Amino acid sequence: EDQVTQSPEALRLQEGESSSLNCSYTVSGLRGLFWYRQDPGKGPEFLFTLYSAGEEKEKERLKATLTKKESFLHITAPKPEDSATYLCAVGTGANSKLTFGKGITLSVRP
Amino acid sequence: KAGVTQTPRYLIKTRGQQVTLSCSPISGHRSVSWYQQTPGQGLQFLFEYFSETQRNKGNFPGRFSGRQFSNSRSEMNVSTLELGDSALYLCASSPGVAGSNEQFFGPGTRLTVL
Repeated sequence: EDQVTQSPEALRLQEGESSSLNCSYTVSGLRGLFWYRQDPGKGPEFLFTLYSAGEEKEKERLKATLTKKESFLHITAPKPEDSATYLCAVGTGANSKLTFGKGITLSVRP
Repeated sequence: KAGVTQTPRYLIKTRGQQVTLSCSPISGHRSVSWYQQTPGQGLQFLFEYFSETQRNKGNFPGRFSGRQFSNSRSEMNVSTLELGDSALYLCASSPGVAGSNEQFFGPGTRLTVL
């Protein structure tokens, strides 16, 4: 059974304090690893897809990386508007089912 | 391009009733997936529809069902509601073809069962 574990559960940072969010996964046949951002009361917002170990993608202050067992979401010099829950998900096989981790709630203080 | 829309945004029902939720995918997307989100279990996959056919199903009881119409719009139905069905129900659309794996979510329907 596919499993996704995210850590830590919650992270509090000072504005400008860089950090990383971890996503560990156990799957058979990774089709893609996905990062989403979710604000309270809203649906998840797509951020990145990573397909193979060694791949990296960047968007503004966010950079996602992938190894064979985990993915990291690096946040450089975060701002209060980066406060949200960050979700990691894996897709396997030929279908569209995504298996999600429980998410990491990030709070950035001004 | 308009995003995924879900209606209604909020619903309050009582135990034993049934409910129907609606989802309109992004134009041109043929795959619609449904997820249940609760504080304890997080996001859990319910089922996926592609070209009016259920293509994949999660581990939920038969009280949860869905369908897709020829215009790709989808509905989800929950019968004989239980208190534990209170959750945010999210719909996600994707092109549904090989090489296009990203799913784009709607705002969700918040269902409260009393």
